[in-house]
Amino acid sequence: DTEVTQTPKHLVMGMTNKKSLKCEQHMGHRAMYWYKQKAKKPPELMFVYSYEKLSINESVPSRFSPECPNSSLLNLHLHALQPEDSALYLCASSPEPGGGQGAGTGELFFGEGSRLTVL
Amino acid sequence: GEDVEQSLFLSVREGDSSVINCTYTDSSSTYLYWYKQEPGAGLQLLTYIFSNMDMKQDQRLTVLLNKKDKHLSLRIADTQTGDSAIYFCAEDDGNNRLAFGKGNQVVVIP
Repeated sequence: DTEVTQTPKHLVMGMTNKKSLKCEQHMGHRAMYWYKQKAKKPPELMFVYSYEKLSINESVPSRFSPECPNSSLLNLHLHALQPEDSALYLCASSPEPGGGQGAGTGELFFGEGSRLTVL
Repeated sequence: GEDVEQSLFLSVREGDSSVINCTYTDSSSTYLYWYKQEPGAGLQLLTYIFSNMDMKQDQRLTVLLNKKDKHLSLRIADTQTGDSAIYFCAEDDGNNRLAFGKGNQVVVIP
């Protein structure tokens, strides 16, 4: 299994809703990431979990709350979002926090993303 | 911090070669990467090059690295319709962060 699976693929929510994005990998990877990507732009790093502990928070607003219940799962809890938060949210994993085997820090395995629309 | 620049759009005929360029201004990265993003999908690592190499060839892909000019390029030989995508170059900052370029959209015309 070489996949990173994200659910749901599409999510529409109001500004007062609470929802969650889920990410799962069964490759035994020990680092997992959340990225936000706006249309025609590169992904922007939000959070990094290393060995199930939050290691990087790129000054993300508290209305985004990550959670790593175990080494295979990564959630992103959403509450009181704004329309400008509408984007593609990408989950990624890497074998180690320092990256892959022989390809350094940047060997990330991405999911297909969850496309979020905030009304 | 790292600042990665890319041009925006390339149109190429099927069977021709395509070349995508990328420059970076501040790097002590050990590796540089090319990622591909097809419409509606996540990013896929295409290839990478170790910073002490000048060139790396991987089937139809050739990566050239000019460290003096901080210039990275990706050449795709015999471009296919399946190569239509956005291509991002990226470098690592040594702290579990990737700095992505703005991306280059490649459209392959049959």
